[in-house]
Amino acid sequence: AQSVTQPDIHITVSEGASLELRCNYSYGATPYLFWYVQSPGQGLQLLLKYFSGDTLVQGIKGFEAEFKRSQSSFNLRKPSVHWSDAAEYFCAGTEYSGGGADGLTFGKGTHLIIQP
Amino acid sequence: KAGVTQTPRYLIKTRGQQVTLSCSPISGHRSVSWYQQTPGQGLQFLFEYFSETQRNKGNFPGRFSGRQFSNSRSEMNVSTLELGDSALYLCASSPGDREGSPLHFGNGTRLTVT
Repeated sequence: AQSVTQPDIHITVSEGASLELRCNYSYGATPYLFWYVQSPGQGLQLLLKYFSGDTLVQGIKGFEAEFKRSQSSFNLRKPSVHWSDAAEYFCAGTEYSGGGADGLTFGKGTHLIIQP
Repeated sequence: KAGVTQTPRYLIKTRGQQVTLSCSPISGHRSVSWYQQTPGQGLQFLFEYFSETQRNKGNFPGRFSGRQFSNSRSEMNVSTLELGDSALYLCASSPGDREGSPLHFGNGTRLTVT
């Protein structure tokens, strides 16, 4: 069955430190993968997406993610976090069936806390 | 370009009632998807509509239904509400005719069932 797993429920990082949020996927074929961020009371904002090609993708707000097929991972990174990065982060995946993308399968989310 | 608009933002209903939520997609987007977000189950796919037809469906009971109008606006209906239907309901739109088009989400409707 298709699945997306985010092993870390909470992560605490000091402001200015680097960040890596983990995401593992389980799909038969190479999926389309996404990272979204959600601030309290808000919807989801797309940070970046991976379809094919370069395995390192750049997103908004200084985020990047690396697709590693051998590890079935799509980890999100940022070299230096800011207090405004505190939020819930979701990894998601889908397969394109030709009849439209199947619904996104989301991980459970990682709550990012930024320490001053 | 205006984003995805969901109305109302908050809703309180009583068990057994029914509710209708509304979603206006980004102009030009023909696909509208609905998701339920709860603390226990996380984000779960309800269904997707494209050009007024339901194209994909998640694993929810028949009490959850939707429709899409010719202007791509969509409504979601939940009948015979249960306490467990309390959730944030998110609508997302995309062009719908390109592989892997990312979804653009609205801010959601917070439904509380008492």
